[in-house]
Amino acid sequence: GENVEQHPSTLSVQEGDSAVIKCTYSDSASNYFPWYKQELGKRPQLIIDIRSNVGEKKDQRIAVTLNKTAKHFSLHITETQPEDSAVYFCAASLNTGGFKTIFGAGTRLFVKA
Amino acid sequence: SAVISQKPSRDICQRGTSLTIQCQVDSQVTMMFWYRQQPGQSLTLIATANQGSEATYESGFVIDKFPISRPNLTFSTLTVSNMSPEDSSIYLCSVDRGGGASTDTQYFGPGTRLTVL
Repeated sequence: GENVEQHPSTLSVQEGDSAVIKCTYSDSASNYFPWYKQELGKRPQLIIDIRSNVGEKKDQRIAVTLNKTAKHFSLHITETQPEDSAVYFCAASLNTGGFKTIFGAGTRLFVKA
Repeated sequence: SAVISQKPSRDICQRGTSLTIQCQVDSQVTMMFWYRQQPGQSLTLIATANQGSEATYESGFVIDKFPISRPNLTFSTLTVSNMSPEDSSIYLCSVDRGGGASTDTQYFGPGTRLTVL
């Protein structure tokens, strides 16, 4: 089955710096890659996603890139702010006549003011 | 996106008992899922709740331990049976975007925090 690896497990940056989180997946049939942000005590919230027919997608300070050949995708956050501090999860989704989503282990991001 | 609610939001239970968690969506959705999130960990899919048929369970999860119901397109329940302290976790309901067509974008309910003593 699908396996998603996520690095780093913890990331600490200074406010205003960029943060990059990287994920790899194992099943080349996966075709949808969402990213979720989870603040302490709250539900995961979808922040951006990318499909396998697209190489890059951007939404304000957040961008995601996908390399299908290498089976890896990354989240880039620019101009980080303290409110970006949270746990970020990458995921890979496989559509097998109903879809299934497998999540990475998560990255705890600290943005220091 | 759909508005998703879960009940209860939290509970403290004695070992050996069972707890049923409800997930209600304000619109019809095709796909409903149940996840477990242990403290400081990632999201682990327990099962896909299929409307009108048995749930599809992931490896390591069985129907006797986690029976699931999905009587219609807006509601599902997950029961955690014969609980032990190892079942202490947050249980999250997740749905697709809805609108009558299955999509692979998922939204999560607020979760149920379960503590088993």
